[in-house]
Amino acid sequence: NAGVTQTPKFRILKIGQSMTLQCTQDMNHNYMYWYRQDPGMGLKLIYYSVGAGITDKGEVPNGYNVSRSTTEDFPLRLELAAPSQTSVYFCASSSQGSAYEQYFGPGTRLTVT
Amino acid sequence: GQSLEQPSEVTAVEGAIVQINCTYQTSGFYGLSWYQQHDGGAPTFLSYNALDGLEETGRFSSFLSRSDSYGYLLLQELQMKDSASYFCAVRVNTGTASKLTFGTGTRLQVTL
Repeated sequence: NAGVTQTPKFRILKIGQSMTLQCTQDMNHNYMYWYRQDPGMGLKLIYYSVGAGITDKGEVPNGYNVSRSTTEDFPLRLELAAPSQTSVYFCASSSQGSAYEQYFGPGTRLTVT
Repeated sequence: GQSLEQPSEVTAVEGAIVQINCTYQTSGFYGLSWYQQHDGGAPTFLSYNALDGLEETGRFSSFLSRSDSYGYLLLQELQMKDSASYFCAVRVNTGTASKLTFGTGTRLQVTL
């Protein structure tokens, strides 16, 4: 099993550009999450999904959008990138009854200049 | 909302024991998780407490007191590879799903 995979690993965006961060898991987990982590800080939840077709906002959803058309994939869309979105983005997944044990992807380091 | 407090940094000597505390304020509390994150890496799950008491997993133990809204992670026989950031995270139930809210992390430096 590859676990949770994310692409790209690194990206530099100009202000106002858009991009999609990809996330795929092969553990058949129902729950998937997107977090952002600023330097020296904890993880903040952006969006989460409890299954295909179901998504909900987390703590910091502004400037982002998600979709969940399959169990495996949970892409995160950034529209009109801003410098405040410079961060490391982690995707994670968990089984339905074990939200306390999340499996994280390697992260995407995004810089907006 | 939720709030968690944990020390920002802890330093300990190789072979020693270190305790990382976490206090929280939240509604809909289900349990407390602990994660380890090495520099440049992804968080990895260490342990989870839903009930009061101590959970032991090898050199790591985690404790929870629901009445005190307090928990800690205990690391024994410290090794250099334990140098990392450690995050506590409260599991809360929103009605539609369980989610984790993370603390800001404790950076552990293990020295010789």
